[in-house]
Amino acid sequence: EPEVTQTPSHQVTQMGQEVILRCVPISNHLYFYWYRQILGQKVEFLVSFYNNEISEKSEIFDDQFSVERPDGSNFTLKIRSTKLEDSAMYFCASSERRGDQPQHFGDGTRLSIL
Amino acid sequence: AQSVTQPDIHITVSEGASLELRCNYSYGATPYLFWYVQSPGQGLQLLLKYFSGDTLVQGIKGFEAEFKRSQSSFNLRKPSVHWSDAAEYFCAVGAFILTGGGNKLTFGTGTQLKVEL
Repeated sequence: EPEVTQTPSHQVTQMGQEVILRCVPISNHLYFYWYRQILGQKVEFLVSFYNNEISEKSEIFDDQFSVERPDGSNFTLKIRSTKLEDSAMYFCASSERRGDQPQHFGDGTRLSIL
Repeated sequence: AQSVTQPDIHITVSEGASLELRCNYSYGATPYLFWYVQSPGQGLQLLLKYFSGDTLVQGIKGFEAEFKRSQSSFNLRKPSVHWSDAAEYFCAVGAFILTGGGNKLTFGTGTQLKVEL
């Protein structure tokens, strides 16, 4: 069964550094998402992306965050200047052409900010 | 804004016993509802979904859930739990994104299931 893949599985970064998290969504999917889960807390929506633009973003997704689909397969989340509170598990998800299809999640990238 | 409540943080059941995990949602329209399972170090795996139609939905691994509009609930059930079902279970409600489509999922805080042998 096709799946969403995320790299790296664990990223350790110094505070203030830029970090890029990578995702390869399922190939025929057209909607892409990022979520995050701070340790011990619920999974939170960050951003959705469709047709090469952001369709919705949460209040968490401030100017330090950006997303990009640089080619036909990758979907990236960039954090420009990381803070300690950015430490979390970041999940990428994708869904099919129709918006009412379920989202399929990757295994996540654990981001640790030192 | 939509919200999801999972009132049970931890549940322990014996292997072979039945299971019910509770989920209550708040959403202004007909909701899209989901249950996901997360094993340690893994991502979120979709167990089942409700969009419309039959209010009793079947999912993978022998799970089912029943949508009850009057109670704003979408409880997850399994008649006989296996030790491999030990994991964290998340209920989620999907809000349709008007501009561009897709769904924004709002998750509950999760229920950690422990299975005693």
